[in-house]
Amino acid sequence: QQQVKQSPQSLIVQKGGISIINCAYENTAFDYFPWYQQFPGKGPALLIAIRPDVSEKKEGRFTISFNKSAKQFSLHIMDSQPGDSATYFCAASGQGAQKLVFGQGTRLTINP
Amino acid sequence: DGGITQSPKYLFRKEGQNVTLSCEQNLNHDAMYWYRQDPGQGLRLIYYSQIVNDFQKGDIAEGYSVSREKKESFPLTVTSAQKNPTAFYLCASSIDLFVGSKFFGPGTRLTVL
Repeated sequence: QQQVKQSPQSLIVQKGGISIINCAYENTAFDYFPWYQQFPGKGPALLIAIRPDVSEKKEGRFTISFNKSAKQFSLHIMDSQPGDSATYFCAASGQGAQKLVFGQGTRLTINP
Repeated sequence: DGGITQSPKYLFRKEGQNVTLSCEQNLNHDAMYWYRQDPGQGLRLIYYSQIVNDFQKGDIAEGYSVSREKKESFPLTVTSAQKNPTAFYLCASSIDLFVGSKFFGPGTRLTVL
């Protein structure tokens, strides 16, 4: 119940295309869903986050879509750029930052 | 600049040796965390500390120890009891336990020879 399942493990997208990464969770107590971006050899950085009272949140080219009934959420990267090439982690939390549960990660490669 | 520093960036250890990883933050955050990251896996929580002189075990605390003598510092010791210590170790901090304020350090890559 504490798991967050992320797919795909790796993704290759052409420059200008849309990158889509999906996550699913079981614990209905989760109420905060962040996405992190991690470059090689660096720590993850918070990219965008959503709470379940909204179905979508957009920040620039990055959008989170949230489906509460299906217990799924996804990250969409519009107009993907080579600089977006990184590993992306979804996460979920319901009881404070110490209870943040991470997905397995998606290695995204944007081909020029 | 406010942030989290971890040192060293790379660390090599012989089997049977203890090693201590440093984590310092100047964000004035109360809470600090240690995570372990293995290839193709998400981050797993080792220990966290909400206030000075107090810390709690995370999901994979066996073979690790921590201390929190100062608000700014949260060192992690990887002991010889840790069976598979080769990994990328990440320190993080946050305002209280508010997950939205969590920042990660640049990480330390530990390799056991």
